[in-house]
Amino acid sequence: DSGVTQTPKHLITATGQRVTLRCSPRSGDLSVYWYQQSLDQGLQFLIHYYNGEERAKGNILERFSAQQFPDLHSELNLSSLELGDSALYFCASSYGRAGGHRNEQFFGPGTRLTVL
Amino acid sequence: LAKTTQPISMDSYEGQEVNITCSHNNIATNDYITWYQQFPSQGPRFIIQGYKTKVTNEVASLFIPADRKSSTLSLPRVSLSDTAVYYCLVGDTGGFKTIFGAGTRLFVKA
Repeated sequence: DSGVTQTPKHLITATGQRVTLRCSPRSGDLSVYWYQQSLDQGLQFLIHYYNGEERAKGNILERFSAQQFPDLHSELNLSSLELGDSALYFCASSYGRAGGHRNEQFFGPGTRLTVL
Repeated sequence: LAKTTQPISMDSYEGQEVNITCSHNNIATNDYITWYQQFPSQGPRFIIQGYKTKVTNEVASLFIPADRKSSTLSLPRVSLSDTAVYYCLVGDTGGFKTIFGAGTRLFVKA
């Protein structure tokens, strides 16, 4: 158990709908990262928040948005869903910023999104 | 960010030592090298991190030559449960993105 929690575990919805994925980082971690992983694909970095502020964006679509709240939990909002958005969405947390010494990321179990 | 290159896949047998090499020619002075392991349908898990020379922990060793343009993850005496995808990351201590790349799919056979 990494200490990172994600809800829901599974989500099935229809095209055009909007969903919200939730992530609670490990206690004390200030950074939250979101990743998308499609079937048999690598991890695509979406966005990074550090202590409530957006710090970096990756390949995140304009239909997707995220935020980190004062209690440091984060939500990823996916709207106007398309079939191609079906994937595993992982959240990770770390104490500091990406890439630093001993600043490894701890990943949650993921949310499996299926768009029908 | 330094780009990394790893073999797409590797096969091994139980009990053998496996070495996975990652190339990162554009690594910056302050960058650390980190390896993660991912099982199907699970989030990646930190294995080991290093800056130079050799680092060893209870699960792996990491060898980094003096020029730091590559690194080698060494898994001693692999078992079937080591079948997974292994990712090499080179950190950007001044930035905030993490690029995992395609990783190396290791398949351990009995």
